[in-house]
Parts: sequence; structure tokens; C-alpha cells
Amino acid sequence: EAQVTQNPRYLITVTGKKLTVTCSQNMNHEYMSWYRQDPGLGLRQIYYSMNVEVTDKGDVPEGYKVSRKEKRNFPLILESPSPNQTSLYFCASSLGQVVANEQFFGPGTRLTVL
Amino acid sequence: AQSVTQLGSHVSVSEGALVLLRCNYSSSVPPYLFWYVQYPNQGLQLLLKYTSAATLVKGINGFEAEFKKSETSFHLTKPSAHMSDAAEYFCAVTQGYGGATNKLIFGTGTLLAVQP
Repeated sequence: EAQVTQNPRYLITVTGKKLTVTCSQNMNHEYMSWYRQDPGLGLRQIYYSMNVEVTDKGDVPEGYKVSRKEKRNFPLILESPSPNQTSLYFCASSLGQVVANEQFFGPGTRLTVL
Repeated sequence: AQSVTQLGSHVSVSEGALVLLRCNYSSSVPPYLFWYVQYPNQGLQLLLKYTSAATLVKGINGFEAEFKKSETSFHLTKPSAHMSDAAEYFCAVTQGYGGATNKLIFGTGTLLAVQP
């Protein structure tokens, strides 16, 4: 089954404790992206990657890192999480760089930083 | 910069009634427009998309949307609401044009409630 998976689905952590949220897709998509969803703000892009070893900042990159060493994986790293990073996070992928291509979303990771 | 405005953060309809969710966009170039649906505790699922072909776009689950350039709108409609349509709906526009980043600019979402 074609899908985007994220782990963990739920995470409660404390300020400053490094964490990684994994994202994997099995559709051989070049483009991958991370969004955060906050009430009243919709979804905002954090980082994106057009292909292996090619990443760039989105609209809200502060406090986050990403890497793209393999085509299927795009982990999101919070080196020193803070309470304002409490949010619902979504990973997405799409085929190529054509803007009309559908983006497939993972199920989301709900992060709480205390 | 492109943007999307969704009027009405909460919409409530009766089962069987017309569903109308409003979306207006701002874009200096021809846009690509999308409607996504998010069911509780799930990721986003594409309902339909406009990619400069037909202005009336039909999607899944009986939804459709009409691109109106003169009104810069892309409202989502469904003739008869079903209880299973209760969800949050997001309108989105792509940023850039030709070789762009695939970044979706989302509206703030509309939560649809369907009353029995």
C-alpha cells in the first residue's frame, strides 16, 4: 500500500531534550516536506526536500533541522525543543517537482513539549 | 506572495443540505488550487485540485469546486451533506510557478459539522 508513515504518532517530552520524528514514504517520491498545524493558523511548511541531499527552509524553520540521506526518509530533528514547538506535525511527499502533483500526507505526529 | 482565505472557521449544516465552504485566493500568477479534507486523528486527503484545465472540478465523495478567476474564488460544494462529511477542510494554493517548490499555502481551515 502506497503511504507516508510517521513515528512516533504521539510524543510528550521536556524542554531541551533532543528528539527526532521519522518520516518514510514507499512511493519513490522525490519531493518531501514537513508542515506543522496549529489552531487558527492552518498548516505551515517547516522544511522541504526536492531530492536526496537537497533540502531548504520553508516558512517556519527556526528550531528544526532535517536531513535527506535516502530518497524514502526525511526525518525532522528538534535539537532543543521548546514549548512553542508543541504542535501537530505532518510529513508529505509528492512525485517530482511539478506543482500540480498531489501531495500525500502522513497521519501526523502530535508533539507536546513541557 | 500567494495566500488563501477561508471564510468561516466553523460551518454547520443539516444532513441532506447543501454544503458550501468558501475559499478566496490571492495570486499574481495563474494558481493551482487544492481542497484537502482532514478527518479526526488522520492526515490530510486530497479532495480535488484545479490545474488550469476545466474550471469546474469534480472530486471524491461527491464534492466539487468551481474556479472563478474574476472573483478569485474556489469554493467547495456538495449538494447533499452526509454525516460522514464531518471533518476539517483546507483550501490550499501552490507558491511559485514553473519549477517551483511544491509548497502548499494553506488556509486556516473550516470545520464542518453535520447535524442529523
